[in-house]
Amino acid sequence: GENVEQHPSTLSVQEGDSAVIKCTYSDSASNYFPWYKQELGKRPQLIIDIRSNVGEKKDQRIAVTLNKTAKHFSLHITETQPEDSAVYFCAASRPGGYNKLIFGAGTRLAVHP
Amino acid sequence: DTAVSQTPKYLVTQMGNDKSIKCEQNLGHDTMYWYKQDSKKFLKIMFSYNNKELIINETVPNRFSPKSPDKAHLNLHINSLELGDSAVYFCASSQRGAWNTEAFFGQGTRLTVV
Repeated sequence: GENVEQHPSTLSVQEGDSAVIKCTYSDSASNYFPWYKQELGKRPQLIIDIRSNVGEKKDQRIAVTLNKTAKHFSLHITETQPEDSAVYFCAASRPGGYNKLIFGAGTRLAVHP
Repeated sequence: DTAVSQTPKYLVTQMGNDKSIKCEQNLGHDTMYWYKQDSKKFLKIMFSYNNKELIINETVPNRFSPKSPDKAHLNLHINSLELGDSAVYFCASSQRGAWNTEAFFGQGTRLTVV
């Protein structure tokens, strides 16, 4: 069935360091891969997404890479700040599926000053 | 203006009761969803409606019944609440197109069954 695995489950970094979160998806038809950030007690909010027609996308300190052959995508956060501390979720969806998002289990990122 | 709003934000109720959660979006999106987030923060889709039509119905107990009176509203009614129903329920919406696009989430409803 459809599955998205996400690693690590927790990540602790010092302010200014980089953080990398990795996801692997099982449905080879997936073509949309969003990343959501969820702060404590808040709603998940999109921070970046990538479609299967590109291999990399960057937005300031955040970047996402996609390897369709390996069915693997990653989130890279550079120059981390304390306000980056949150739970991050990767997700995948396939075309024609009404954007049914299959989420990874989440990564709790802690950025220490 | 809040794009996706759901009420109530908190809901505490006894086992066996029936309760409803309401959701509204003002983004003009065609598709709305209910997601459940359990105590381990795992997010799982429950239902999806497109233009008032049920299109996704995951393996959810039939005590859960979604209703969409129009494409801007999607409500969730839960009968005979059980302890295991305690979770945060998120409503979301997105626009259907050639490519999937961002799903916008409501602020969540924290349901506690005692």
